[in-house]
Amino acid sequence: DTGVSQDPRHKITKRGQNVTFRCDPISEHNRLYWYRQTLGQGPEFLTYFQNEAQLEKSRLLSDRFSAERPKGSFSTLEIQRTEQGDSAMYLCASGPTSRETQYFGPGTRLLVL
Amino acid sequence: QKEVEQDPGPLSVPEGAIVSLNCTYSNSAFQYFMWYRQYSRKGPELLMYTYSSGNKEDGRFTAQVDKSSKYISLFIRDSQPSDSATYLCAIPNQAGTALIFGKGTTLSVSS
Repeated sequence: DTGVSQDPRHKITKRGQNVTFRCDPISEHNRLYWYRQTLGQGPEFLTYFQNEAQLEKSRLLSDRFSAERPKGSFSTLEIQRTEQGDSAMYLCASGPTSRETQYFGPGTRLLVL
Repeated sequence: QKEVEQDPGPLSVPEGAIVSLNCTYSNSAFQYFMWYRQYSRKGPELLMYTYSSGNKEDGRFTAQVDKSSKYISLFIRDSQPSDSATYLCAIPNQAGTALIFGKGTTLSVSS
């Protein structure tokens, strides 16, 4: 049983560049979530997918952020025109439809210079 | 008032001590409660999941929920250096579409 995987694990980029992160959830999980975590804080919710449908987006998800989950399997999170304030750990989680539990991946650590 | 409040610590204890970690929440409609453990530079790992008031035990870990006080606790018995991590309480929002996390409490267990 493999867990949630994320790629890349680390990304350093220059301000203004676009970046894309990938998340592969646990295979039988229909629900997929993206969170952002900054130093000293708990994860903050960004967006939620049920299968391929994006059902909820946080106000934290500005117009520069877009997430997709084609075919209800893996998901991508893209940040356009990155800003230094985007530097954070981006976490993906998945969960079964029947329960509220969420299982997290290792995260992608983004540094915007 | 934030929906979930957690004292960030840090908390330092000697090996073998009993550790008590706590969170308070504001919305009495919350029904499910979770504790996650996060090692440095890693993703959160689900430790405990509880639904009702009362205690739930799993090995050295006990989760306690007091819905009347809107207070949840995680107890660690016989703490080990490997328990050194940040512990996060998390509560699903009413729609069940997101987890609301506390800030996390950083625990250090010294040998």
